[in-house]
Amino acid sequence: TQLLEQSPQFLSIQEGENLTVYCNSSSVFSSLQWYRQEPGEGPVLLVTVVTGGEVKKLKRLTFQFGDARKDSSLHITAAQPGDTGLYLCAGGGGRGGADGLTFGKGTHLIIQP
Amino acid sequence: DTAVSQTPKYLVTQMGNDKSIKCEQNLGHDTMYWYKQDSKKFLKIMFSYNNKELIINETVPNRFSPKSPDKAHLNLHINSLELGDSAVYFCASSHTPTGDNYGYTFGSGTRLTVV
Repeated sequence: TQLLEQSPQFLSIQEGENLTVYCNSSSVFSSLQWYRQEPGEGPVLLVTVVTGGEVKKLKRLTFQFGDARKDSSLHITAAQPGDTGLYLCAGGGGRGGADGLTFGKGTHLIIQP
Repeated sequence: DTAVSQTPKYLVTQMGNDKSIKCEQNLGHDTMYWYKQDSKKFLKIMFSYNNKELIINETVPNRFSPKSPDKAHLNLHINSLELGDSAVYFCASSHTPTGDNYGYTFGSGTRLTVV
């Protein structure tokens, strides 16, 4: 069974600060995806990274896939209150895709004004 | 609007009852899923269907049964509900089982409370 460990589990910081969320595994994934979930809603895809070492930017968010395709990070620059939410990493490709997406346990992020 | 829609949004029922949750996607995706999110927000896959064939069947109780009348629908039927079944259930769909490049599209969830 593939597992994804996310850290930190909870993070509360002031507006304007920078932060990094980590997603680690001992397994190799065909892709690593990041989702954001708001209360009462389903997760919404932010980005997918598929190539080892790949870096993608989405405004103030920077996503990186590890060279060995076992880990990923999400860095937020100058965090805003609107960034508050549950951030989930998910890995695909287990058993040739038969396992669907495996999710980490999430990072609860609070940005205080 | 193109989306994954699931009904009902909220479901409160007594132990021992049988209930169904419906899911429909109009995205033209080939694969649909049911996920369970527990009170700690951990998402765990329950089932997936690809072109009306079950391709994943996780170790969930056989009281849970997915039913797919066509590629755009995947319903979840639950028999003899137990207190431990209380959770939020999410339907999702994707182009490919791994979600590579395009990810999964999730519904807004069904909060099931068994009393």
